[in-house]
Amino acid sequence: DADVTQTPRNRITKTGKRIMLECSQTKGHDRMYWYRQDPGLGLRLIYYSFDVKDINKGEISDGYSVSRQAQAKFSLSLESAIPNQTALYFCATSDSHQPQHFGDGTRLSIL
Amino acid sequence: GQQLNQSPQSMFIQEGEDVSMNCTSSSIFNTWLWYKQDPGEGPVLLIALYKAGELTSNGRLTAQFGITRKDSFLNISASIPSDVGIYFCAGRLNAGNNRKLIWGLGTSLAVNP
Repeated sequence: DADVTQTPRNRITKTGKRIMLECSQTKGHDRMYWYRQDPGLGLRLIYYSFDVKDINKGEISDGYSVSRQAQAKFSLSLESAIPNQTALYFCATSDSHQPQHFGDGTRLSIL
Repeated sequence: GQQLNQSPQSMFIQEGEDVSMNCTSSSIFNTWLWYKQDPGEGPVLLIALYKAGELTSNGRLTAQFGITRKDSFLNISASIPSDVGIYFCAGRLNAGNNRKLIWGLGTSLAVNP
């Protein structure tokens, strides 16, 4: 079983729809992250959380929101999706001793 | 925001050749990480470096934490087709907001069998 599980793995939706991407982990890490990957732009941090009550904006948080429902779960929402949010989204986890460990990604297409 | 300069942006090599890529920054880092991303998957950690001057190997991979703490390199010896992928460096600043990683834009490696 994967340590960091992202659902769904692929999603195609229409402009204006609300979308939620889920991330769950079995690594026991307290820190969780959401990244977006676009060709040639590397990994850009959207939001991160260091525990259940801690939410921090990354470099590209506009248009996104997150919820840390439990230590093991961190969800990313797009309240009203737009085409330029089409990208590959990654969740990652870490703790104070371990570097970030990534899920396999969610490929999101917004038409 | 902060950026790492990762080079080269892409490489196309013959199987068996050695590969070298590096990352530089104008800021001092206390951690350097090297990840590899295979197509359709998330990045996977290859090597982690925590001390200036540290040289660490993982099979055919060798990475070093620069003495100035502003750079790091990754070498791959005797490349094979499964080395194909995107390699990312990432670092943690020594001061300021060091709760998050700073990422390079990646080096795309293609290996001709």
